Amino acid sequence: DGGITQSPKYLFRKEGQNVTLSCEQNLNHDAMYWYRQDPGQGLRLIYYSQIVNDFQKGDIAEGYSVSREKKESFPLTVTSAQKNPTAFYLCASSMSNEQYFGPGTRLTVT
Amino acid sequence: GENVEQHPSTLSVQEGDSAVIKCTYSDSASNYFPWYKQELGKRPQLIIDIRSNVGEKKDQRIAVTLNKTAKHFSLHITETQPEDSAVYFCAARGQKVTFGTGTKLQVIP
Repeated sequence: DGGITQSPKYLFRKEGQNVTLSCEQNLNHDAMYWYRQDPGQGLRLIYYSQIVNDFQKGDIAEGYSVSREKKESFPLTVTSAQKNPTAFYLCASSMSNEQYFGPGTRLTVT
Repeated sequence: GENVEQHPSTLSVQEGDSAVIKCTYSDSASNYFPWYKQELGKRPQLIIDIRSNVGEKKDQRIAVTLNKTAKHFSLHITETQPEDSAVYFCAARGQKVTFGTGTKLQVIP
């Protein structure tokens, strides 16, 4: 299970605040991904990055932003523009096809 | 873009019986089809995958079949055990990975 970490495990924020979720990997993987998981909706892709200093919008990018300044790190910022931010957020990395997931961060916004 | 549909959303089987989960995809360019198992409160983990040049793959009690013409693929679990209880996700990879909505499998002892 080691190699890709997310912190914190639980995060609570007030509505209107931006919040940044951390994702770090030491697997030397080029590609990294952010997914949002809601009950009954599976995993939906927010953003992905195939190489340092480059990233692409996924299917539900509105209200989120990312950066990829280092190969090991791919932080996700949930902005106040995201209408329903409360969810379970999963980060993943891959070298080729297989994705390795982090343990996730459960974000609650009230 | 790719659309992946997964059925059923919930599945209950008696211990020892088989379980089958089916997925369809829309993008004929998709060429990699993984299956992930997610236990409650844990991260998804890859259990088996299949590439588009193969029709079937087995790993002990689990197998995956792929029909490229019909654009569907299935997960088969035989001799189910209580520890197989989890949510299972299929996915299809073309330019990016698209996941199905998940199947909650309950194996009743």
